[in-house]
Amino acid sequence: GQQVMQIPQYQHVQEGEDFTTYCNSSTTLSNIQWYKQRPGGHPVFLIQLVKSGEVKKQKRLTFQFGEAKKNSSLHITATQTTDVGTYFCAGHLYSNYQLIWGAGTKLIIKP
Amino acid sequence: DADVTQTPRNRITKTGKRIMLECSQTKGHDRMYWYRQDPGLGLQLIYYSFDVKDINKGEISDGYSVSRQAQAKFSLSLESAIPNQTALYFCATSDGFGVDNEQFFGPGTRLTVL
Repeated sequence: GQQVMQIPQYQHVQEGEDFTTYCNSSTTLSNIQWYKQRPGGHPVFLIQLVKSGEVKKQKRLTFQFGEAKKNSSLHITATQTTDVGTYFCAGHLYSNYQLIWGAGTKLIIKP
Repeated sequence: DADVTQTPRNRITKTGKRIMLECSQTKGHDRMYWYRQDPGLGLQLIYYSFDVKDINKGEISDGYSVSRQAQAKFSLSLESAIPNQTALYFCATSDGFGVDNEQFFGPGTRLTVL
């Protein structure tokens, strides 16, 4: 079936270091959404990208959608303890209305 | 008050029992979803409903059934629970305008089947 692969599964960083997670789809997506799930919480919507090559920023977070609309990335500059959680990408296919979710990348701040 | 609520929040049951998880929303959204979350696997769609008369299977519907009692209510049932249905279950809603809508999640129900 359709898949969205997300890597890495975990990333350990020192506070202040950067963090990046990548998503790749086996098929072209109509759009891609990013969600954050804090430990013990539920997924919360961050942003949606629709256009080929689109780049959006939210303070220290930068989101990109690839030219072929098959890949996307989230980059966090200078991580803070409040960034801890799991980041998910989720893509809409053109053929139906379902969101196909990546497995998530867990951001862990080293003590 | 929360816009999307789920009951119960935690449930421990035994193999073979029938279980119902309930979801209610006050957002006025037409679309509702049931997901299952297992560690390392992200979210898997069980069922979704675009309005009261519309029910669709997701990628992992076997062993589950749903009921859309009203626009605001969407229930998930496990007719005969089995241990590999132990997971975190989320209900979500979205607006009915177009495909490109964020989903709003409830707090989740942690289900353990012994």
